[in-house]
Amino acid sequence: TQLLEQSPQFLSIQEGENLTVYCNSSSVFSSLQWYRQEPGEGPVLLVTVVTGGEVKKLKRLTFQFGDARKDSSLHITAAQPGDTGLYLCAGVRYGGSQGNLIFGKGTKLSVKP
Amino acid sequence: DAGVIQSPRHEVTEMGQEVTLRCKPISGHDYLFWYRQTMMRGLELLIYFNNNVPIDDSGMPEDRFSAKMPNASFSNLKIQPSEPRDSAVYFCASSFTRQSGYTFGSGTRLTVV
Repeated sequence: TQLLEQSPQFLSIQEGENLTVYCNSSSVFSSLQWYRQEPGEGPVLLVTVVTGGEVKKLKRLTFQFGDARKDSSLHITAAQPGDTGLYLCAGVRYGGSQGNLIFGKGTKLSVKP
Repeated sequence: DAGVIQSPRHEVTEMGQEVTLRCKPISGHDYLFWYRQTMMRGLELLIYFNNNVPIDDSGMPEDRFSAKMPNASFSNLKIQPSEPRDSAVYFCASSFTRQSGYTFGSGTRLTVV
């Protein structure tokens, strides 16, 4: 069972459309991070959210951490071909003994011109 | 800083051969992580180090895998003997703390035939 479930797994849209991808868990996380990974490269950190209900914006990307700190969403407005990539969420479980981030499997986004 | 540097970028080897993957973390980062990424399982943590000391190697698949960090600027991951099921992309990442954002290298794509 995956601790962090991401949906959808795959998403193919046209340039200019809006989209939302989700990251859900039954566990509480002390913080959650979003990464974007392009083909042939490693994941690159986009944002970290820490407080329940927190909203952070990065240009056309809006990240939200759920009030209960169990889920998060990423909304992209007016998607561009440059947004194409694998979007990964990763969390530090609250109170856990694990000393590492737990990664979801990701949402593979393709934005067609 | 040049970021996390991994070598080689690609490795093709025959089953039974020894494989060595190398990583140079970002200077000043106290944590180093080795991950393996496959389509089926996503990103899986293999082992992580804090100040050059291995902390958690519970993700190492079996005794064929070993990792060392002889100093703060170098780590290697060895597979001996390699098997076809080891084929994957192996990433090294480093960070200031366990919970801070990770900086990933570009990965080593390993193919065992």
